[in-house]
Parts: sequence; structure tokens; C-alpha cells
Amino acid sequence: DIQMTQSPSSLSASVGDRVTITCRASQSIGNYLNWYQQKPGKAPNLLIYAASSLQSGVPSRFSGSGSGTDFTLTISSLQPEDSATYYCQETYSNPFTFGQGAKLEIK
Amino acid sequence: QVQLQESGPGLVKPSETLSLTCTVSGASVSSGGYYWSWIRQPPGKGLEWIGYIYYSGSTNYNPSLKSRVFISVDTSKNQFSLELTSVTAADTAVYYCAIWSRHSGSYYWYFDLWGRGTLVTVSS
Repeated sequence: DIQMTQSPSSLSASVGDRVTITCRASQSIGNYLNWYQQKPGKAPNLLIYAASSLQSGVPSRFSGSGSGTDFTLTISSLQPEDSATYYCQETYSNPFTFGQGAKLEIK
Repeated sequence: QVQLQESGPGLVKPSETLSLTCTVSGASVSSGGYYWSWIRQPPGKGLEWIGYIYYSGSTNYNPSLKSRVFISVDTSKNQFSLELTSVTAADTAVYYCAIWSRHSGSYYWYFDLWGRGTLVTVSS
């Protein structure tokens, strides 16, 4: 199985900050990488697919980059509603593993 | 507007079978191009893909669960279901049904629509 490792596991930032979360795959996965946002008590919501493609309806302050084994999710200007846990997911091969999550808090 | 709704017992005894159903509204499970999926999340932990089914009945399961999982589809009821046998406390989780779909014309797949999830606790 491909292992997905996110860092940091938790972070705190202020409104307006630029925030970056990283995701590393244990082997090359091309750009078969998704990012999801999950708020407490809610189902995850797709933000980014194919490593850098913004899902329809997602604010443009979210962006993704990377290929191979290293990927990043960037929030260009943090908003209060961005407080959530963020998960990466590889879609290269079964079992389409998720990262362990990165919990983002607003200071 | 497509919606998914999970249903089933919230409490299952150890060694028994967990059974959940996902009812689809606003779309047909007989529609090609989508895979009807189950994902779970233990309390306070991360996400784990369980498996998916195509309307034809073709399935794909997480190898770590494959020996205990069965996913089926009922096109007459517009539902799909999950059975997980021989459950233990480690199977306690919120179980989500979701649609596995792909960007048009590409090989990029994603879960773009989820149910609200249902908590299943395994305890005697």
C-alpha cells in the first residue's frame, strides 16, 4: 500500500495568513492526489483533485501543487471559516489511502 | 440535487455483522460512470476507504477488509449496502457512503458527494 504522510499534524494561524500543508507519498503517484476539508461533525468536502485542479465552487484562495511524491495545499489568505482538518488522498492505486490529517486552527 | 443518506443500526455486538444502507436521491444507482462507495472514520481518527460497487455489480474492496466486506446494489430501491462481518471494537466508526466519480474525460477520480455519515458502535 502507498503511505501518505501529512505535515504538520496541527497548526495555528491568523486570519489573512498564508498557510501551507504538505503531503508526502511513499512512492511516486504522479498527480493522482486529492485534498479534502472536513469540519467537525461533517463529511469531508473535496477541494482539489489531480493535485492542482480546483473543484467547482471552492474559493480561489485554495490551491494545490506538486507531483510525484511531494504535494502542497496552500490557503493564500486564511479566513475564519477555514478552521478544519485537511486530508490528502492518493488515487493512484487501491486502497486509495488518505493522509492522517492536518488540523488547522485560527488564532 | 443528488443526496445520499446512510441508515442502519447504531450498535452492533462483537462478532456480529454490521449492515448499512445508503439511499440515493436525485440520481440513479444505475447511472454509468459512478462508483457507489463506503468510507469510514473511527472517532477522532482519519479516513479509510472500504470499497465501492458499480451498478453492474462489479466491486473493488480495500485489501485490509476484503475478507469481511460485501457491498451490494439494489437498483429497484435505488440503494446500495455494506455488510462487514465479524466486527470488533476496532470497527467502531462513522460510516459514510459517497460517490466515486471522475473528472470528465480524465482518469482523475475523487469522492465529490458524501452522505452525512452514521456512527456505528461495536459493543456488547
